[in-house]
Amino acid sequence: ETGVTQTPRHLVMGMTNKKSLKCEQHLGHNAMYWYKQSAKKPLELMFVYNFKEQTENNSVPSRFSPECPNSSHLFLHLHTLQPEDSALYLCASSQDPWNYGYTFGSGTRLTVV
Amino acid sequence: GIQVEQSPPDLILQEGANSTLRCNFSDSVNNLQWFHQNPWGQLINLFYIPSGTKQNGRLSATTVATERYSLLYISSSQTTDSGVYFCRGKLVFGAGTILRVKS
Repeated sequence: ETGVTQTPRHLVMGMTNKKSLKCEQHLGHNAMYWYKQSAKKPLELMFVYNFKEQTENNSVPSRFSPECPNSSHLFLHLHTLQPEDSALYLCASSQDPWNYGYTFGSGTRLTVV
Repeated sequence: GIQVEQSPPDLILQEGANSTLRCNFSDSVNNLQWFHQNPWGQLINLFYIPSGTKQNGRLSATTVATERYSLLYISSSQTTDSGVYFCRGKLVFGAGTILRVKS
């Protein structure tokens, strides 16, 4: 496989559920990102990881918990979400956070009911 | 933090027309990138262009880093060009330009 792969593509979850989003990159990049795109809003940065270390947390509520076990994998663990958390969650990777372009995955469309 | 402003917010074109999209940023950036978001939500990289000019088929982009702006040119537009165009500077995205090309 090549590029950035996100699973699942679609997810419907109740407010009391716990679920995880997965992102995997096969590009040899060192930085990975989570962005949130709500309807009619710009992409909002959530988290940045560089060499497995979190370097940015954009004031994200604790009901979103990221995990980066290695430079190729990034997870977003979800628990007790609210309906307003329904959005498209996009993962990206790049060689580093400052000097290179991003490659995005296809996204996970999350609906919280 | 850095502010990234895109214009126009919406654009409707007749097929075959040309257009220019603009991205202004409030601070210097060295990693400006243009994307096209398709109807399924996928963000497709168009150009990574910290400075200078690049061309790819009917699309080209110019970044003038010293004046903190970038332009995306679409020539001879096609209906498949429809979608949302985003620019990114550092970790921040602009609000996008929604382009609709009519046949």
